[in-house]
Amino acid sequence: AQSVTQLGSHVSVSEGALVLLRCNYSSSVPPYLFWYVQYPNQGLQLLLKYTTGATLVKGINGFEAEFKKSETSFHLTKPSAHMSDAAEYFCAVSGANFGNEKLTFGTGTRLTIIP
Amino acid sequence: DAGVTQSPTHLIKTRGQHVTLRCSPISGHKSVSWYQQVLGQGPQFIFQYYEKEERGRGNFPDRFSARQFPNYSSELNVNALLLGDSALYLCASSFGLGEQFFGPGTRLTVL
Repeated sequence: AQSVTQLGSHVSVSEGALVLLRCNYSSSVPPYLFWYVQYPNQGLQLLLKYTTGATLVKGINGFEAEFKKSETSFHLTKPSAHMSDAAEYFCAVSGANFGNEKLTFGTGTRLTIIP
Repeated sequence: DAGVTQSPTHLIKTRGQHVTLRCSPISGHKSVSWYQQVLGQGPQFIFQYYEKEERGRGNFPDRFSARQFPNYSSELNVNALLLGDSALYLCASSFGLGEQFFGPGTRLTVL
């Protein structure tokens, strides 16, 4: 069984400040981990993913995340927030089985950027 | 290249009715998954189909069913609609592992 916990349903940061969104996972098998962003009334867009290899992964729009197996964490960061980063962010986990790739999502974190 | 497309965009039904939602995957993708996103929550997995076979089913009642066609497009059917079925229904496609690409969703309102 897999699960994801996102700490903080709402996060507010000032424009130009560091963005840190927290995600912890639970998985009985080696996980694939993802961060998706959702803008109002839209679908989900992939920011970045960890499958295998390098534990620090870089994504689009300046975001990055680090897979820490010992802490079962996959926190999302961005050095300098921009107004356009305001959105809902979802962390998700799946197994690594081809053809069986159910995504289990966290409850989401709404990011607000303060001008 | 076209992304994942879903139809219709919005749908209003009344309790007890039936609904069919449609999804066309990205060209070359053989896997289609369906998710339900209730307002204020994360998406919940409903089904995954790969090469026209069901590969996974989430914790949803038998009123929910799906199928995948030879061209890899997919339909999600919901019978005997309840108010609680009101949600954004998302379709995602992939090669079978790794990144799933999501469509814009179908917003279903049950009155």
